[in-house]
Amino acid sequence: AQSVSQHNHHVILSEAASLELGCNYSYGGTVNLFWYVQYPGQHLQLLLKYFSGDPLVKGIKGFEAEFIKSKFSFNLRKPSVQWSDTAEYFCAVELAGSQGNLIFGKGTKLSVKP
Amino acid sequence: EAQVTQNPRYLITVTGKKLTVTCSQNMNHEYMSWYRQDPGLGLRQIYYSMNVEVTDKGDVPEGYKVSRKEKRNFPLILESPSPNQTSLYFCASSPLGAPEAFFGQGTRLTVV
Repeated sequence: AQSVSQHNHHVILSEAASLELGCNYSYGGTVNLFWYVQYPGQHLQLLLKYFSGDPLVKGIKGFEAEFIKSKFSFNLRKPSVQWSDTAEYFCAVELAGSQGNLIFGKGTKLSVKP
Repeated sequence: EAQVTQNPRYLITVTGKKLTVTCSQNMNHEYMSWYRQDPGLGLRQIYYSMNVEVTDKGDVPEGYKVSRKEKRNFPLILESPSPNQTSLYFCASSPLGAPEAFFGQGTRLTVV
């Protein structure tokens, strides 16, 4: 069965540190890729998405992600985190043609210390 | 304002008492789905619907029912809730062919 792996369960950083959250998926075909963010007590919001084209995708709030097809990865990065980035981050994969069925990773909780 | 609305936001109920969580979207999306979110497990899909009267099981459908009589509404029904259904539930919608999902605010359900 297809799966999405997020390697880090909980990441703790100080403000201004750089962030990279790993995401790998197990599917050999065409995929659409997403990162969602969930701030404490809130619903999921789309951070960025990749459908095709430039594998380096820029999202909101200074986040970016790079799709590396050969590694089945879609890692999320931010050069300098802020306290307000404290949230849980979910990687999600949609298999092309599955008509919107998203497969989510288990999430990575990010805590940023002021 | 484009949104997905769930009700109620919080619910405490007893084992075996039937309940319904409503979900409504105002974006004319064809695709709607329900997820449950549990600590350490991420989001798991319960049921989804690709259009009116078209529903199908997701990854964890046991103990749940859904219906899609109208395009905008996709209620989640728990006929006989059990404590292992205590969870945070999210409804989502998206247009077919554009898989970006819009999520509701969530319903925190506790079954005692």
